[in-house]
Amino acid sequence: ETGVTQSPTHLIKTRGQQVTLRCSSQSGHNTVSWYQQALGQGPQFIFQYYREEENGRGNFPPRFSGLQFPNYSSELNVNALELDDSALYLCASSLGSGGPSSEQYFGPGTRLTVT
Amino acid sequence: AQSVTQLDSQVPVFEEAPVELRCNYSSSVSVYLFWYVQYPNQGLQLLLKYLSGSTLVKGINGFEAEFNKSQTSFHLRKPSVHISDTAEYFCAVSEKGSQGNLIFGKGTKLSVKP
Repeated sequence: ETGVTQSPTHLIKTRGQQVTLRCSSQSGHNTVSWYQQALGQGPQFIFQYYREEENGRGNFPPRFSGLQFPNYSSELNVNALELDDSALYLCASSLGSGGPSSEQYFGPGTRLTVT
Repeated sequence: AQSVTQLDSQVPVFEEAPVELRCNYSSSVSVYLFWYVQYPNQGLQLLLKYLSGSTLVKGINGFEAEFNKSQTSFHLRKPSVHISDTAEYFCAVSEKGSQGNLIFGKGTKLSVKP
């Protein structure tokens, strides 16, 4: 069984640029959630996708957007990058429509540095 | 507003000693509770979860946690730690009725010394 994978592992961007991060769900999982983990902090929920629709969103501005594809893989797009966007971005997948009792399986993350 | 507080940012302990990592939460609704572990340069791995039933929950790697509703706490314990337990530990909650987004504490770095 393949776990959650994310690409790229590391990324360096300049302030104002745009970035796309990618995630492949664990086999059979149809819900994907994205989290931002700033240095020294716990992960913060960005949004969740289920059946290619956004299914919930945290307190992040609209320049954070996402997509989910028919094979349940997902992208996180961030426009107009700011220095504070530097963080580890984690993708997590779960079975069914997610839900508060569902176990989320995390990928290794993408480390984004904005200079 | 809902929040999770991990009372200790760092916990140093000697190998084979017991350890307790503390977690308190606040929420206006009922919650499910989770503990995750993060090894260096890796994602999060679920240690254990409380959904319902017995308040003492056993997880992987010899860890256990006890849910105390009156204290709104979910402390993580291990009777004898190993060097390999050195990692960062995160307590998280998800609120019943939500879409399942996890609310995390800031983490506790456990350092096990020989």
